[in-house]
Amino acid sequence: DTVVTQSPLSLPVTPGEPASISCRSSQSLLHSNGHNYLDWYLQKPGQSPQLLIYLGSNRASGVPDRFSGSGSGTDFTLNISRVAAEDVGTYYCRQALQPPRVTFGQGTRLEIK
Amino acid sequence: EVQLVESGGMLVQPGGSLRLSCAASGFTFSSYSMNWVRQAPGKGLQWISYISSAGAAIQYADSLKGRFTISRDNAKNSLYLQINSLTVEDTAVYFCARGTWSYAFDSWGRGTLVTVSS
Repeated sequence: DTVVTQSPLSLPVTPGEPASISCRSSQSLLHSNGHNYLDWYLQKPGQSPQLLIYLGSNRASGVPDRFSGSGSGTDFTLNISRVAAEDVGTYYCRQALQPPRVTFGQGTRLEIK
Repeated sequence: EVQLVESGGMLVQPGGSLRLSCAASGFTFSSYSMNWVRQAPGKGLQWISYISSAGAAIQYADSLKGRFTISRDNAKNSLYLQINSLTVEDTAVYFCARGTWSYAFDSWGRGTLVTVSS
């Protein structure tokens, strides 16, 4: 089974400062079609998850451009250029190497300092 | 506006069964694959199952295969999850999520809580 491991698990950030979350996969998520099957989701407190980034680096509809995804193969990063108060929550990466079977990372809890 | 509304969650005794529903609106339900994902209290997300747009293809997480059955009724814009032989470990919020062409989950319901306890 493909395992995705996130770090850090807890991330305190000052508003206006950048933040970065890493997601490492036990197998390459780069498909022969050229796509990396790695998504990022944010679950705000008391809410259901929402899609932020799909296929490694594509922002979902309505997602602010301060969010960006990068990486390929086994190493991926979610970057927030300037953290806002509304960005608080738990971030999950999710792999789909053998779609439609998917697995999520453990989650990274972002909190405001 | 895309809406997914889960229902059917309740308190159930160990060994019991439950059928969860997800009512879809605001999009052409029959054109999209659908998924179930659950989240135990204070824990992360666990994918449970997938069903293709017409229902011809179905997949389950290996660890959950056998007790869960996903189905859909495109005429009723509804998705279902039958869960049998419930255990306390099945206590969780159950979400339905719409799948995209890239297998991302672009819309989620608010979830329905299943509590398994004697």
